[in-house]
Amino acid sequence: DQQVKQNSPSLSVQEGRISILNCDYTNSMFDYFLWYKKYPAEGPTFLISISSIKDKNEDGRFTVFLNKSAKHLSLHIVPSQPGDSAVYFCAASAPDSSYKLIFGSGTRLLVRP
Amino acid sequence: GAVVSQHPSWVICKSGTSVKIECRSLDFQATTMFWYRQFPKQSLMLMATSNEGSKATYEQGVEKDKFLINHASLTLSTLTVTSAHPEDSSFYICSASLGGQLQPQHFGDGTRLSIL
Repeated sequence: DQQVKQNSPSLSVQEGRISILNCDYTNSMFDYFLWYKKYPAEGPTFLISISSIKDKNEDGRFTVFLNKSAKHLSLHIVPSQPGDSAVYFCAASAPDSSYKLIFGSGTRLLVRP
Repeated sequence: GAVVSQHPSWVICKSGTSVKIECRSLDFQATTMFWYRQFPKQSLMLMATSNEGSKATYEQGVEKDKFLINHASLTLSTLTVTSAHPEDSSFYICSASLGGQLQPQHFGDGTRLSIL
């Protein structure tokens, strides 16, 4: 039972354009959501997070949107750069879960020069 | 800040040996650390939660006698894969958090374990 789903295994965008990565979840108890970027043979790097009391959080080129009613979140990268090419994981945690993160399956982003 | 160091980054060893992987929080204290496993082209699967000064909490299906976890200090957790076999070959990653529910986990660079 996948509680966090990333239905797009890959995404290709042109440099300078917007990248939109999507994530759906099923557990309504999740209250904290995160996006990580990962290169092969490296650990994930934290990008941005959002708590369930917000619907948007922005940090530079990265913006995360949360739609609680739809149990959906998305990561927008504007403008996309070739260095953004990596695998992006969304993750979620619930209160009283000992801070455990549940990860999606990842989306491989390719930004074409 | 919030740097997590993992060592070694790559291990190749014979079947039947035990392998220890270290995870250190370099610039903060972590009462809780996490150990994940990632198979090729798959997501990160939580194996266990490591609590300083107490026993680790293992996820369902993870053999606690196979994957020994010790969290002896606020900056160090170790994962020992005992009597490793080829099916234990994987990418193991640790993480630590500054603490609190709304704090991100910060990850080490992972350990590639190959059992021959």
